[in-house]
Amino acid sequence: DVKVTQSSRYLVKRTGEKVFLECVQDMDHENMFWYRQDPGLGLRLIYFSYDVKMKEKGDIPEGYSVSREKKERFSLILESASTNQTSMYLCASRDREETQYFGPGTRLLVL
Amino acid sequence: EDQVTQSPEALRLQEGESSSLNCSYTVSGLRGLFWYRQDPGKGPEFLFTLYSAGEEKEKERLKATLTKKESFLHITAPKPEDSATYLCAVHRPDGYALNFGKGTSLLVTP
Repeated sequence: DVKVTQSSRYLVKRTGEKVFLECVQDMDHENMFWYRQDPGLGLRLIYFSYDVKMKEKGDIPEGYSVSREKKERFSLILESASTNQTSMYLCASRDREETQYFGPGTRLLVL
Repeated sequence: EDQVTQSPEALRLQEGESSSLNCSYTVSGLRGLFWYRQDPGKGPEFLFTLYSAGEEKEKERLKATLTKKESFLHITAPKPEDSATYLCAVHRPDGYALNFGKGTSLLVTP
């Protein structure tokens, strides 16, 4: 079974804090993704990585950065958290058949 | 612009009452249409991939079909445990990430 894990299920942070969201997959997938999901807006792509140390911006990269130093780990960084970054954050990895598998999500609240 | 539109936004069914969910898409060169199920507060769970018009896939009470412009997720004799949000998605032009529809929220009552 494909397993994608995310470091936290729930997170509460203060405005201006630097926030790290970690995602790990155990299937040796090359491609990994970060989405955020908001009511009425659906899933939106923040960043993706098609290989180690490689990254591409998605539709809403502003205020975020990513790091992929090892194949199994893809980190999302909120440089200075703001209240409009309160959201559900979903990580996914993709297999050779191009199917994406999602982690359980991190629900982030920025106060 | 590539788009994915799902309808209805919400659907309420009685247990055993069959129905269909719709996913309309516009994309140049379909490389796969994906269906996911998402329970509240959880990540989407993969259900099916369809690649070409006429293709069908089944899993328990769910059957997904594909035409050149839309996909249907048919739910036969649903049970309360089928209650969830169902999402469909197609590849973005970059070929890596997915464009998702906003989902259909299904509630099946006993």
